[in-house]
Amino acid sequence: GAVVSQHPSRVICKSGTSVKIECRSLDFQATTMFWYRQFPKKSLMLMATSNEGSKATYEQGVEKDKFLINHASLTLSTLTVTSAHPEDSSFYICSARPNSGKGQETQYFGPGTRLLVL
Amino acid sequence: AQKITQTQPGMFVQEKEAVTLDCTYDTSDPSYGLFWYKQPSSGEMIFLIYQGSYDQQNATEGRYSLNFQKARKSANLVISASQLGDSAMYFCAMREGLKTSYDKVIFGPGTSLSVIP
Repeated sequence: GAVVSQHPSRVICKSGTSVKIECRSLDFQATTMFWYRQFPKKSLMLMATSNEGSKATYEQGVEKDKFLINHASLTLSTLTVTSAHPEDSSFYICSARPNSGKGQETQYFGPGTRLLVL
Repeated sequence: AQKITQTQPGMFVQEKEAVTLDCTYDTSDPSYGLFWYKQPSSGEMIFLIYQGSYDQQNATEGRYSLNFQKARKSANLVISASQLGDSAMYFCAMREGLKTSYDKVIFGPGTSLSVIP
């Protein structure tokens, strides 16, 4: 149980294009999901909290117009990197917090998406 | 100020031995949660163990145990009988603001563990 999927697993795009990353909780419902960014050999940096049915809450320094988040249902959140530039290249990883059951206190992570902007 | 400190950037342990990974945290919330995650080279984040601030007993999950010392604000991870597959990055994390608008989990800098055959 508590499986989170992410798609795509890796993507290469040209500078100036937009990239959408999907995060799905496969066997549980999640009102709250989180998006993190991780640079090589560094820790996870929280970008934003995604709430189903309401606007995302962005961490300080994260551009909300650059990183669009949509939490369309209790099992799906998407992150769109708009007008991507090489400095947006990174490992993006989502997590989901179960609404009920034993895992409510924690959050489960997707496998991550490696984005390379050329 | 960094809220979660992991003072060991890298650790080595002999196979079958026990190892302790250090974690200290800082919060003024009376209710919080502490986690440990494992990240192998593949990048996936694997949940290992959870400790609530009001839990009376230290959490254990198989070979993993969390040495929770609330007064010292430390939450060290103990891995018993290390295996080669335990080689990975280990992150200590804290959940603050439970069930408030700022409820979120933040991560420490991580410790790279290498298990030697």
